[in-house]
Amino acid sequence: GDSVTQMEGPVTLSEEAFLTINCTYTATGYPSLFWYVQYPGEGLQLLLKATKADDKGSNKGFEATYRKETTSFHLEKGSVQVSDSAVYFCALTVKYNFNKFYFGSGTKLNVKP
Amino acid sequence: NAGVTQTPKFRVLKTGQSMTLLCAQDMNHEYMYWYRQDPGMGLRLIHYSVGEGTTAKGEVPDGYNVSRLKKQNFLLGLESAAPSQTSVYFCASRVESGGARNEQFFGPGTRLTVL
Repeated sequence: GDSVTQMEGPVTLSEEAFLTINCTYTATGYPSLFWYVQYPGEGLQLLLKATKADDKGSNKGFEATYRKETTSFHLEKGSVQVSDSAVYFCALTVKYNFNKFYFGSGTKLNVKP
Repeated sequence: NAGVTQTPKFRVLKTGQSMTLLCAQDMNHEYMYWYRQDPGMGLRLIHYSVGEGTTAKGEVPDGYNVSRLKKQNFLLGLESAAPSQTSVYFCASRVESGGARNEQFFGPGTRLTVL
């Protein structure tokens, strides 16, 4: 079946450090891949997405590349800020069945000044 | 646009009590969803609706009912609350067609505690 696995947290970094949050997926169809961010006390917000292999999604300094050969969609940022502290969710949906969204368990990021 | 709104934001229930969570969206989206979020488990789909007057079961529908009487509203009901339903509930919506049809827009959540 379709599923998403992401690295467990929490991840604690100092400000300006490099961030990687790993995400791998299993999909039977043609998945679109997403990263959502949840700030404390808020709902999920779409951070970036990629809809086909080799696409790179980017937003607010974050990037992720859809790697079909490794079934991965790792989230990266070159220099994190305290304001990036949040929970990050990797997710996928499959073409022809956009009602099925599969979310990872979430990775909490703590950035210290 | 307010986007997706949820009421209430917080609620505490006793076992056996009933309540209804309201989700409203002002984006004219056809599709609406209810999820629950539990620690270490990501989001799980409870029920969803593909249009006014329609509903369908998701991954974890037991103990919940839903109604979509108006396009902009999607209600989630708990007829007899149980401690296992303590969770954070999120509503989401999306368009039916177009380039953004695979994106969901989320509300701020309702934190429910069942004692």
